[in-house]
Amino acid sequence: GAGVSQSPSNKVTEKGKDVELRCDPISGHTALYWYRQSLGQGLEFLIYFQGNSAPDKSGLPSDRFSAERTGGSVSTLTIQRTQQEDSAVYLCASSPPGQGAHEQYFGPGTRLTVT
Amino acid sequence: AQSVTQLGSHVSVSEGALVLLRCNYSSSVPPYLFWYVQYPNQGLQLLLKYTTGATLVKGINGFEAEFKKSETSFHLTKPSAHMSDAAEYFCAVSDPGNYGQNFVFGPGTRLSVLP
Repeated sequence: GAGVSQSPSNKVTEKGKDVELRCDPISGHTALYWYRQSLGQGLEFLIYFQGNSAPDKSGLPSDRFSAERTGGSVSTLTIQRTQQEDSAVYLCASSPPGQGAHEQYFGPGTRLTVT
Repeated sequence: AQSVTQLGSHVSVSEGALVLLRCNYSSSVPPYLFWYVQYPNQGLQLLLKYTTGATLVKGINGFEAEFKKSETSFHLTKPSAHMSDAAEYFCAVSDPGNYGQNFVFGPGTRLSVLP
């Protein structure tokens, strides 16, 4: 079946502009995660959704970052007034309910470049 | 709180040689443990996982890992490296009673395979 998809795959934006990154999880997956991966670095947790609720927003680096999830499916990560340090690959992952809840299925990522 | 350390940010092996990637964790509860692989310009893919039961787990592509509670380790091995194994490998730990923020990734180890 279809995996996790993310769009766009690449985004180049000017400093100060707002960007929206989209994640389509696997159908039926109730949990959704956003991570940031800077060049040569590990994964930085940003936010986690269970259904449409975000019980854990602790990883969002500043109030310029926000995310929402609608219909228990698609999620959008928005970065306002982008800065050069926001340049990174943004990864989305989803998990099924029940026994598989601890397995994360990752999308290919969105590479964001802020010039 | 949980944490993961991976000894060696970069490991090089010759084709056909043993691959050993080290992972140590810290957890206040018996954890679930995972290894993920990331090929260039792709998202992460689950290699194998330990939840309960047999401490030696086998994954895809000939990889296996052994959970050693006394050493708080979950090292990844493969008897004979192949060129296609060159990638970034991430160890991760999860709290079986929770997820979200409690899913923690290590910093990653880049594996190079030399001809």
